[in-house]
Amino acid sequence: SQELEQSPQSLIVQEGKNLTINCTSSKTLYGLYWYKQKYGEGLIFLMMLQKGGEEKSHEKITAKLDEKKQQSSLHITASQPSHAGIYLCGADIVWGGSQGNLIFGKGTKLSVKP
Amino acid sequence: SQTIHQWPATLVQPVGSPLSLECTVEGTSNPNLYWYRQAAGRGLQLLFYSIGIDQISSEVPQNLSASRPQDRQFILSSKKLLLSDSGFYLCAWNQQRNSPLHFGNGTRLTVT
Repeated sequence: SQELEQSPQSLIVQEGKNLTINCTSSKTLYGLYWYKQKYGEGLIFLMMLQKGGEEKSHEKITAKLDEKKQQSSLHITASQPSHAGIYLCGADIVWGGSQGNLIFGKGTKLSVKP
Repeated sequence: SQTIHQWPATLVQPVGSPLSLECTVEGTSNPNLYWYRQAAGRGLQLLFYSIGIDQISSEVPQNLSASRPQDRQFILSSKKLLLSDSGFYLCAWNQQRNSPLHFGNGTRLTVT
C-alpha cells in the first residue's frame, strides 16, 4: 500500500504564479525529504526536514513539516520555467534500525507556462 | 566531494537474457547503497539495500539479485529478464540513517 500520498498528481501554472505541493502520511515521519526529477534523470535532493514545525527555504522554494510530523508541503514562489519537473517526497517512517532507505510518494508533475 | 556513477544509461534486452547494471560511489567510504526501480504510475520501489560488503537485503521477491563485491560498488543482476523487469533503475547512497539519499542518473531498461 502507498504510505505517502502526494497531491496534486500534476500541476500546470503560469510563470510567476505561486504553487503548493503536499505530501501526507498516516504514519509519523521521522525524516522528510524533497527531491526534484527531470524526466529520464536521477533525483536531485532539495531539502530535508526532521523536526515538527520545521521550515526550510532555498531560493524560491520553501518546505514545511507540520507539528504532528505527518504532513509536509513544498511551496514555490513566483514560479519559473526552470522549476518544471517532477517533485517527489521521500520519508523515513521506521524508528531505529541501521538502514536509511526511504519510501516515496508517486510524485507531482509541475509544468510552468511562459 | 562525493559522486555516484551508474551505467549504462539505456539498455534494450530481449526476454530471457541476463542483466548487469553497475553503480559506483566515489569520495566516501562504507556508504549505504540502494537499488530502486521507478515504474510509470507506481513511484519508486526499493529493491535492495546494503549497509556493507556482502550485506544485501531484499525488499521484494523478484527476478533480480544484487551484489556488493567492493565497498563502493553495487551491482544489480538477473539471470533471465522478464517483460515486467522493464523500468527505470536508480542507484542511490547515503552515509547513514537520517541523511539524504543521493541518486545516480538512472538506467532505462526496456525488455522486449
